[in-house]
Amino acid sequence: EAQVTQNPRYLITVTGKKLTVTCSQNMNHEYMSWYRQDPGLGLRQIYYSMNVEVTDKGDVPEGYKVSRKEKRNFPLILESPSPNQTSLYFCASSAGLNYGYTFGSGTRLTVV
Amino acid sequence: GQNIDQPTEMTATEGAIVQINCTYQTSGFNGLFWYQQHAGEAPTFLSYNVLDGLEEKGRFSSFLSRSKGYSYLLLKELQMKDSASYLCAVLWQAGTALIFGKGTTLSVSS
Repeated sequence: EAQVTQNPRYLITVTGKKLTVTCSQNMNHEYMSWYRQDPGLGLRQIYYSMNVEVTDKGDVPEGYKVSRKEKRNFPLILESPSPNQTSLYFCASSAGLNYGYTFGSGTRLTVV
Repeated sequence: GQNIDQPTEMTATEGAIVQINCTYQTSGFNGLFWYQQHAGEAPTFLSYNVLDGLEEKGRFSSFLSRSKGYSYLLLKELQMKDSASYLCAVLWQAGTALIFGKGTTLSVSS
């Protein structure tokens, strides 16, 4: 089944403790992206990648890192999480953006 | 930044027709998507418009006017399961950035 898989689905962590949210797609898509979704603010792009080793900042990149060492994986790294990073995170992939994105199921992160 | 405007909330009754509008800045436009998102779930693709006009897909239709920076999603024969958020998203910058509006929450009542 073609899909984007994110892990974990839920995560509660403490301020400052580094964490990684994994994202993997099995569709051989070139484009991958991370979004966060907050009430009243909608989906905001954190980082995106157009291919292996090619990444770029979205609208809200502060406090996040990404890497794209393989085509299928695009992990999101929070080196020192803070409470304002409490959010619902979505990973997405696309064969080309005019095809739209396929989204993962989301990761609900709480930083206390 | 790229401003995408949609109404925050809309209500309708079963069997009715509802139109959700979306306006955006025209500079750098490369296409427009509509997504549906049920509470707590991932967005799912509904439609894509890159040329002016109406695209029909079953009960859902999407319209685009590039010169006016305007799109709408038309939902016919509303069902309770259509209660969801509807997200307008615009493709910009030669196809490298997909920016979402804040979404319109549609509530369908019986």
